[in-house]
Amino acid sequence: TQLLEQSPQFLSIQEGENLTVYCNSSSVFSSLQWYRQEPGEGPVLLVTVVTGGEVKKLKRLTFQFGDARKDSSLHITAAQPGDTGLYLCAGERFNKFYFGSGTKLNVKP
Amino acid sequence: GAVVSQHPSRVICKSGTSVKIECRSLDFQATTMFWYRQFPKKSLMLMATSNEGSKATYEQGVEKDKFLINHASLTLSTLTVTSAHPEDSSFYICSAGGRSYNEQFFGPGTRLTVL
Repeated sequence: TQLLEQSPQFLSIQEGENLTVYCNSSSVFSSLQWYRQEPGEGPVLLVTVVTGGEVKKLKRLTFQFGDARKDSSLHITAAQPGDTGLYLCAGERFNKFYFGSGTKLNVKP
Repeated sequence: GAVVSQHPSRVICKSGTSVKIECRSLDFQATTMFWYRQFPKKSLMLMATSNEGSKATYEQGVEKDKFLINHASLTLSTLTVTSAHPEDSSFYICSAGGRSYNEQFFGPGTRLTVL
């Protein structure tokens, strides 16, 4: 059973489109992280959000932590083929990290 | 930035043999290291938390006698898959905890294939 559920699981869009990935749980987390992973490699940290309601921006990526610290979203504006990859959220509880089910994004040129 | 290495990057072994995977923090000391397992096209599953100088804490459903973890120093943790079977084939990834409680740095992963 996954502690964190991500949706959608797969997303295939055209270059230039916007998209949002959701990460939901019934549990409260001390912090939440978003990672991007390429095949055969370890995940690379994109952002950490700590405060409920917090919004962080990283160029075309906008991350939001839910007010109750149970959910988060990742919004990508004007997606590019270089954004293709597996996006993972991870919630931290009691110094352990639990990963979401993952969203496989494919951006077509 | 913090760098974590894993060795080997790929290993193929026969069923019944044991395989040791090393995880090293190269430029910082890590009191805590984490071991994850990832099946193809799936997310990472936390297997255990490794603390330097003490026994590892295993997640529910992970056999501690099957997956032996040793964290002998502040820069090295090892995972040994004992008596490996084809169902143990997976991508094993370690991470090292940073100074902050919500910080972890990932290794590049080890692809294990058991024939």
